[in-house]
Amino acid sequence: ILNVEQSPQSLHVQEGDSTNFTCSFPSSNFYALHWYRWETAKSPEALFVMTLNGDEKKKGRISATLNTKEGYSYLYIKGSQPEDSATYLCAFGSGANNLFFGTGTRLTVIP
Amino acid sequence: NAGVTQTPKFQVLKTGQSMTLQCAQDMNHEYMSWYRQDPGMGLRLIHYSVGAGITDQGEVPNGYNVSRSTTEDFPLRLLSAAPSQTSVYFCASSYVGPKWETQYFGPGTRLLVL
Repeated sequence: ILNVEQSPQSLHVQEGDSTNFTCSFPSSNFYALHWYRWETAKSPEALFVMTLNGDEKKKGRISATLNTKEGYSYLYIKGSQPEDSATYLCAFGSGANNLFFGTGTRLTVIP
Repeated sequence: NAGVTQTPKFQVLKTGQSMTLQCAQDMNHEYMSWYRQDPGMGLRLIHYSVGAGITDQGEVPNGYNVSRSTTEDFPLRLLSAAPSQTSVYFCASSYVGPKWETQYFGPGTRLLVL
């Protein structure tokens, strides 16, 4: 069992604010780092998968960075909108076929 | 494409009963997997399959069986349900697995074992 930690657990921001969350994972035996967006009563939707140290990915106002040497990834949301309200999950890939998920950061964007 | 589908959406079982949770995908994905989601915990991998006829255990396999006779279907069997198996179950799939690809998730099955 591998420990994947996300912080903060929950976050409230005003519409228009930018925000970021952290995912910490073991720095050994790294294969991939995934980010998902999970809205209430729906299933997780893929945002990014990153495999190389220093990777940066961007999708609209959302971006992510990866540091495999120190075992962390940041997810950034620029100019948060109410529709960004969701739980953001990260998952650490160790070994070719296993994913270990964090408990998520619940984001609420206040209009 | 329907994507990843799961049935049933919700099920109530009594302790000791058996049932099968169905998962199907129409994207010709080789990799399929089952997760459970419990309050305060991250999604945990139960079993996975890298292709028809090949299955392997994940993080929490005890109490569950799987088989993969076709590329499209990956059913999860509870042989003798226990209250500890009350959870929300998600099926997920991708072409080659989580080493390279994000996963496509089904809508989930909520299971209550009394």
